[in-house]
Amino acid sequence: GNSVTQMEGPVTLSEEAFLTINCTYTATGYPSLFWYVQYPGEGLQLLLKATKADDKGSNKGFEATYRKETTSFHLEKGSVQVSDSAVYFCALSDSTGGFKTIFGAGTRLFVKA
Amino acid sequence: NAGVTQTPKFQVLKTGQSMTLQCAQDMNHNSMYWYRQDPGMGLRLIYYSASEGTTDKGEVPNGYNVSRLNKREFSLRLESAAPSQTSVYFCASTALSYEQYFGPGTRLTVT
Repeated sequence: GNSVTQMEGPVTLSEEAFLTINCTYTATGYPSLFWYVQYPGEGLQLLLKATKADDKGSNKGFEATYRKETTSFHLEKGSVQVSDSAVYFCALSDSTGGFKTIFGAGTRLFVKA
Repeated sequence: NAGVTQTPKFQVLKTGQSMTLQCAQDMNHNSMYWYRQDPGMGLRLIYYSASEGTTDKGEVPNGYNVSRLNKREFSLRLESAAPSQTSVYFCASTALSYEQYFGPGTRLTVT
């Protein structure tokens, strides 16, 4: 079945550092891939998405590229801010999973000033 | 455009009490979901409704029931609450492009 594996946290960085959160997936079909972000006390919200191989999703300085050959969708940001402190979830959805989204376990990011 | 709304925001129950968590979306989405989120466990799917009139079990359905009242509303019922059901509950709905839209959550404590 479909699955998502992302790096364990927490990840602690200083402001302006480079961020990478690794995500790999297993899927039988051709999934759409997503990164969601959850700020303290809130629900998840979509950060970015990619729907086919080699697509790059981007938003708020974050980027992720859909790599079919390595089944990966790593999240990157060139210069993190304190306000980026949150939990980040990698996820996939496709028609073979019915109408369900498969989420990774989440990676907590702390950014220090 | 409110998106996905959930009520209540907080609730404390005693063991054995019942309650219903309400969820509504105004985006005309067909599919709706209930998740629970526990520390260190990520999100776990309780039940989902692919379309109005259908519901299906997710990963952790025991102790819960759901009702898809109409296209907008999807409720989650705890018939006899247990301390193991202490959690944060999120409702979500899905666009045709598979993007999920989440409500703000209900924080439930069962004592």
